Amino acid sequence: SYGLTQPPSVSVSPGQTARITCSGDALPNQYTYWYQQKPGQAPVVVMYKGSERPSGIPERFSGSSSGTTVTLTISGVQAEDEADYYCQSADRSGTAVFGGGTKLTVL
Amino acid sequence: QISLKESGPTLVKPTQTLTLTCTFSGFSLRTSGVGVGWIRQPPGEALEWLALVYWDDDKRYSPSLKSRLTITKDTSKNQVVLTVTNMDPVDTATYYCAHIFHDGHYLKYGFDIWGQGTMVTVSS
Repeated sequence: SYGLTQPPSVSVSPGQTARITCSGDALPNQYTYWYQQKPGQAPVVVMYKGSERPSGIPERFSGSSSGTTVTLTISGVQAEDEADYYCQSADRSGTAVFGGGTKLTVL
Repeated sequence: QISLKESGPTLVKPTQTLTLTCTFSGFSLRTSGVGVGWIRQPPGEALEWLALVYWDDDKRYSPSLKSRLTITKDTSKNQVVLTVTNMDPVDTATYYCAHIFHDGHYLKYGFDIWGQGTMVTVSS
């Protein structure tokens, strides 16, 4: 099993760009998924396979990767984007793992 | 439209076995490629993957909890059941079931639809 590392918090002002990173040694060979979780709610997937946006997710959400780090970028952050964000992947044995989560604060 | 809902006890005593049921609609575990997973989240903490089962009865477990977990499916009832033995206060969490998403690479999966979750407290 391996771990995924996320920054505990990211803060941005409305309209700015938020970048949330997720690092893990196995990420270059695996897909990464991103979830948004608002207080008291179940997680919602906002990015598939690193950079594919599900239907219904605003275009301001995008994903990218470089080496062992994947990044969720939110351009033109809005107040409604304030939430916890989790990355998730799986290793070659089919064991899923989540990152520790990043709290996005919109100032 | 896919939906999932978790059910089970809200309170269990230490050392007891927890049995949770995920009842779903909008898909079938008889269909090739389909799977359901369980994830939990202690209050104020991160998500933790527990187990999954695929249509072909392929099962995977969290290595750290494998000895305590059992996942089964009942295709006739559209249900997936997770049992957790020897419950401890540290197992207090919201337990979610979720529909598995993949593009044919079964081991490169994510979770596209989640249930609302069920809170389980472990206390004597």
